[in-house]
Parts: sequence; C-alpha cells; structure tokens
Amino acid sequence: DIQMTQSPSSVSASVGDRVTITCRASQGIFSWLAWYQQKPGKAPKLLIYAASSLQSGVPSRFSGSGSGTDFTLTISSLQPEDAATYYCQQANSLATFGQGTKVEIK
Amino acid sequence: ELQLLGSGGGLVQPGGSLRLSCAASGFTFSSYAMSWVRQAPGKGLEWVSVISGSGANIHHTDSVKGRFTISRDNSKNTLYLQMNSLRAEDTALYYCVKHYYYDGSTNYWYFDLWGRGTLVAVSS
Repeated sequence: DIQMTQSPSSVSASVGDRVTITCRASQGIFSWLAWYQQKPGKAPKLLIYAASSLQSGVPSRFSGSGSGTDFTLTISSLQPEDAATYYCQQANSLATFGQGTKVEIK
Repeated sequence: ELQLLGSGGGLVQPGGSLRLSCAASGFTFSSYAMSWVRQAPGKGLEWVSVISGSGANIHHTDSVKGRFTISRDNSKNTLYLQMNSLRAEDTALYYCVKHYYYDGSTNYWYFDLWGRGTLVAVSS
C-alpha cells in the first residue's frame, strides 16, 4: 500500500502570507496526486488534480507542484476563507489520503 | 444541480448491519465510477470502496473486505454500501463521492463531487 505523509500537521499564518504544505509518497506515484480543502462541518473540495492542474472555480492563489514522491501545495497569498484542513491524495493505486494539514489564520 | 444525497446511517451495535444509500442527480450517473470515503470523528479521510459505472468492477479497502459490499442501481441513480459485521472502528461519517473524468485523462481516481455524508456509529 502507498502511504502519504504530509507536513506540517498544522500551520498558523497571517493574511497575505505565502503558505506551503508538503506531501510525500512512500513510493513513486508519477503525477497522480490531488489536493483537497475541508472546512469544519463540510465535505472536502477538490482543489488540484494531476499534481498541478487547478480545478475549475478554484482561486489562482492555489497551486500544486511535484512528481514522483514529493509534492507541494502553495497558497500564494493567504485569505481568511482559506482557513481549513488540507489533504493530499495519491491516485496511482486506488486512493490513499495524507493525514491532513490544518491552516489557521493568525 | 449536481448533487449526492446520502442516507441510511445510524447507531448500531457491534456485529450489526446497515445499508447506506446515495441518490445522485444532475449528471449521467451510469457514466461515472463512484466510491465511498469515510472520516472517523476528528480524523482524516479513508477511501473505502469503489464501483465502476457499469458495476462490473469493484474494489474494497482491506479492512472492510468480506464485510462491506458496494453496489449501484443505475436505473435509480443510486449507490449503496451494505455494511455487515460492523465494528467500533467503522464509526465514521461516510461520504458518497463521484470520480472525476477529464479530457485526455487515463486516471479517474480523483473525486470532484462529495455528498454531505451520513453518520454511522457502532457502539453497544
């Protein structure tokens, strides 16, 4: 089974800051990776697929990069509405999610 | 409007059974693979089961094999999860999810539509 490890587990940043979350796969997954945003009490929302493709309707301040085993989600200018938990998910072999990264606003 | 409406959750004793349903609308249901993804209270996301659009191909995560069965009725635009021999560790919010198909893709393992989730609690 492919394991996904995210870091950090939580981050606190100010509005306008650049925030970076990393995700590492236990084996190579090419670019088969997605990022989701989950706000409290809500279902997850697809932000990025195929490592770097922005889902329709998602603000351009979100971007993804990486391939193989190491991936990154970047929020270029943090907004108050970005407070949420973010999950990566490998799509190379069935599906496995990372443990999540909670983003808080200072 | 694209929508997934889950139902059938509740409180059940260990060893008991439940059947979850998910009614789909706003898209051609039979054209898409569907999955169940669960989230234990305060925890992360765990993929549980997948079924192809035709229903011919099915996979379950190891922890539920032999206990859970995913199925679908394309004439009713409805997805199901039959859960037997339930354990305390099955307690979670169960999301019905639609797989994302996009132009040029050979991989359909992204989830672009999520239901609101139905809660399953296993406790004596």
